[in-house]
Amino acid sequence: DVKVTQSSRYLVKRTGEKVFLECVQDMDHENMFWYRQDPGLGLRLIYFSYDVKMKEKGDIPEGYSVSREKKERFSLILESTSTNQTSMYLCASSRDSVATNEKLFFGSGTQLSVL
Amino acid sequence: GNSVTQMEGPVTLSEEAFLTINCTYTATGYPSLFWYVQYPGEGLQLLLKATKADDKGSNKGFEATYRKETTSFHLEKGSVQVSDSAVYFCALSQAGTALIFGKGTTLSVSS
Repeated sequence: DVKVTQSSRYLVKRTGEKVFLECVQDMDHENMFWYRQDPGLGLRLIYFSYDVKMKEKGDIPEGYSVSREKKERFSLILESTSTNQTSMYLCASSRDSVATNEKLFFGSGTQLSVL
Repeated sequence: GNSVTQMEGPVTLSEEAFLTINCTYTATGYPSLFWYVQYPGEGLQLLLKATKADDKGSNKGFEATYRKETTSFHLEKGSVQVSDSAVYFCALSQAGTALIFGKGTTLSVSS
């Protein structure tokens, strides 16, 4: 089975701190994604990547950046956290082509609390 | 732009009741449609999908039919179980774009 592993299950940070959220997939998937999940808002796409060193902005990229130096790893970076970034962050990957981009495999999520 | 609208939750049912969760979409062309499920403490996983009009996706007793004329993809199950308690997300995809998710519907089933 495909495994998508997120480095932390829970994180608590103070406003202004820098945060790295790491995601690793073990099935040689081309595509990787970062979403945030908030009650009443569902999943919103932050950034995605279709290839190493490639990134595309999603619907809500402000305040975030990403890094994909290796195919299996996709990192989400919060340069200076703010309280409105308190959320559940979900990483996902898929092997399907850009044309289909269908079945996503998700990690278990990182619950980030910014105080 | 493309969008997905799901019925508001939570949906609370007794075991063995019939389940319907409504989902409608807005898209140009012919998207693929999906239902994902998120069990407590876990990430999302694909439940079922349909890639063209009139297709029926099915899995674990759940079904959904792609209705182009009503732009809908409603999720149904004839007899829910306590283990079906989860958050259900409707989603669509089109070529060259990432999946677009609805806001999710929480289902709670009691014995």
